Amino acid sequence: NAGVTQTPKFRILKIGQSMTLQCTQDMNHNYMYWYRQDPGMGLKLIYYSVGAGITDKGEVPNGYNVSRSTTEDFPLRLELAAPSQTSVYFCASTYGGLSEAFFGQGTRLTVV
Amino acid sequence: KQEVTQIPAALSVPEGENLVLNCSFTDSAIYNLQWFRQDPGKGLTSLLLIQSSQREQTSGRLNASLDKSSGRSTLYIAASQPGDSATYLCAAAPHNNNDMRFGAGTRLTVKP
Repeated sequence: NAGVTQTPKFRILKIGQSMTLQCTQDMNHNYMYWYRQDPGMGLKLIYYSVGAGITDKGEVPNGYNVSRSTTEDFPLRLELAAPSQTSVYFCASTYGGLSEAFFGQGTRLTVV
Repeated sequence: KQEVTQIPAALSVPEGENLVLNCSFTDSAIYNLQWFRQDPGKGLTSLLLIQSSQREQTSGRLNASLDKSSGRSTLYIAASQPGDSATYLCAAAPHNNNDMRFGAGTRLTVKP
C-alpha cells in the first residue's frame, strides 16, 4: 500500500516554462488536495477535488490548474512558471470529512 | 477567514521532559482539528484528529485537546525523546476538510 505518491521529488524550472506535478493515491480516497509550503509558513491550499470530474479553487490558485479524471490521480499544472512559485508542493488525500489526511513526500520546485 | 497560530515557533527541551504545544484558531465553527508531524524534507504525518464534538484524543505518549469555545488546541507529549524532534503543525477544517487551514508549526528539538 503506497499511500500518496508524488513525482518528481525535485525540479528546477526556468521562468516561463511549464510542468505538471503528478499525484496518485491508492486508498480509494474521494478527496484530494494540493498545498504549497513556503519557508516558515503553514501550508496553503491551491486546489482541491471532492471526486472525479469535480475540482475547486483553494486559497492560492493563481498560476495553477488541475484536473481529476480518475479517483486515483490529481495532477497539478504550472503554466508560465514564475519565481513566486518556488516552493514545496504537497498532495494529500482524505476519505470524506471525517478522516485523517494522508500526504505525499512533496515536490521541491525552484523557478530561476 | 480562519487564522491558525502556533506558539512558540521553536522549542528546545531536554529528553524526558513533558511538554505542551499550542494551537489557536479564530473561527470556532470547525469540523475537526488535526495535529501533524513533519520531519525535515518529508511530508506530513497525521498524529491525532479531533472531531468538533470531541474534547480530546490520545495515542501513546500523545494527547491532544480541543476547546472550541476558546479557539484553542494543545498537543501534550509525555516523556519526550530525541526521536520526537520534528516540526508539529495543527490544521483546522471548517467543514468536510475542504479547506484545512494550517498553522506555521512549532519546531521541537529534544536534546539527549
